[in-house]
Amino acid sequence: NAGVMQNPRHLVRRRGQEARLRCSPMKGHSHVYWYRQLPEEGLKFMVYLQKENIIDESGMPKERFSAEFPKEGPSILRIQQVVRGDSAAYFCASSPKSGTGGASGANVLTFGAGSRLTVL
Amino acid sequence: GDSVTQMEGPVTLSEEAFLTINCTYTATGYPSLFWYVQYPGEGLQLLLKATKADDKGSNKGFEATYRKETTSFHLEKGSVQVSDSAVYFCALEANNLFFGTGTRLTVIP
Repeated sequence: NAGVMQNPRHLVRRRGQEARLRCSPMKGHSHVYWYRQLPEEGLKFMVYLQKENIIDESGMPKERFSAEFPKEGPSILRIQQVVRGDSAAYFCASSPKSGTGGASGANVLTFGAGSRLTVL
Repeated sequence: GDSVTQMEGPVTLSEEAFLTINCTYTATGYPSLFWYVQYPGEGLQLLLKATKADDKGSNKGFEATYRKETTSFHLEKGSVQVSDSAVYFCALEANNLFFGTGTRLTVIP
């Protein structure tokens, strides 16, 4: 049973280009989360998606960033016109149910190995 | 808002030393608390969790107790090994999963 698969593992882009990061959730998982890890910082939540729906995008920058999780295929995080500040590791996680949790039953996320974006 | 404050690193210990990594949280409700571990070149893996006050999570010799009175969830291990070298993240789940900044642990033989 494959885990969360992310590709590419490493991506190099020049300023102004587009970056596309893909995430295939674990089998049976219908919820996907994207996190960004800047150098020497923790993980920052970006967006939470279900199939064909964005549930929470409160952590997404307002411009240049978008995410989708189509009915078929992987989830994609798209960054247009990349800048050097976008250089980071982008982690995807999946879960079988909603992220709204709390004491009633901690929802455990399974993480992928990440995609490291370097903007030259 | 909900947040996690984690002990800053890096932390360097000799093998078999005692480990404590501090974590405190701020939350309006009753969150679940987690410790995740990230080994070099890999994604995060769940290490342990606790869902309510006074619960103790444990795994691989690591422990953490959910202390509501001190809003803390400190990670401890009695005797670390070289293979424990990794980055450890404290996390809180309310309506979302919030992570601390991570603490890098290096264990030297």
